[in-house]
Amino acid sequence: GDSVTQMEGPVTLSEEAFLTINCTYTATGYPSLFWYVQYPGEGLQLLLKATKADDKGSNKGFEATYRKETTSFHLEKGSVQVSDSAVYFCALSDPDFGNEKLTFGTGTRLTIIP
Amino acid sequence: DGGITQSPKYLFRKEGQNVTLSCEQNLNHDAMYWYRQDPGQGLRLIYYSQIVNDFQKGDIAEGYSVSREKKESFPLTVTSAQKNPTAFYLCASSPRTGWNTEAFFGQGTRLTVV
Repeated sequence: GDSVTQMEGPVTLSEEAFLTINCTYTATGYPSLFWYVQYPGEGLQLLLKATKADDKGSNKGFEATYRKETTSFHLEKGSVQVSDSAVYFCALSDPDFGNEKLTFGTGTRLTIIP
Repeated sequence: DGGITQSPKYLFRKEGQNVTLSCEQNLNHDAMYWYRQDPGQGLRLIYYSQIVNDFQKGDIAEGYSVSREKKESFPLTVTSAQKNPTAFYLCASSPRTGWNTEAFFGQGTRLTVV
């Protein structure tokens, strides 16, 4: 079945540091890939997405590139801020099942210290 | 403003009681979902519905029930058969237009068994 593997957290960085959160996936079809962010006590918000190989999703300074050859969708940001502290989820949607099969990783908690 | 409203934000349940979590959306989305979030386990799909009066079990449906009598409403009942109901519950919706569309999440309900 489909699965998403994220790097273990928690991750703690200083402000203005470079961020990478690794995400790899296994899927039976040709999935769409997503990064969602969850701020404390809230639901999830879509951060960015990519729907085909070599697509780059970007938003709020975050980027991720759909790498089919390595089945990866790593999240990066060049200079993090305290306000980026949150839990980040990588997810995929498999066309074999439609949108009801949004499969999530376990989440990576990110803390940015001033 | 369009969005998804979950209520209540916090809910306490005694052993052996059924409780119902509310989820309402005014986004005119066809599809709605319930996820359960536990620490270190990401999100797991409980039930989903793609159309009024129809719904399907997700990966962890045992001990839960749902109804979809109106397009905008998808309540979740946690029954006494659910052995470990303490968790954070998230409701989501999406347009029924394909597998690469994003899901929109509510703010969540934290259920605690006392």
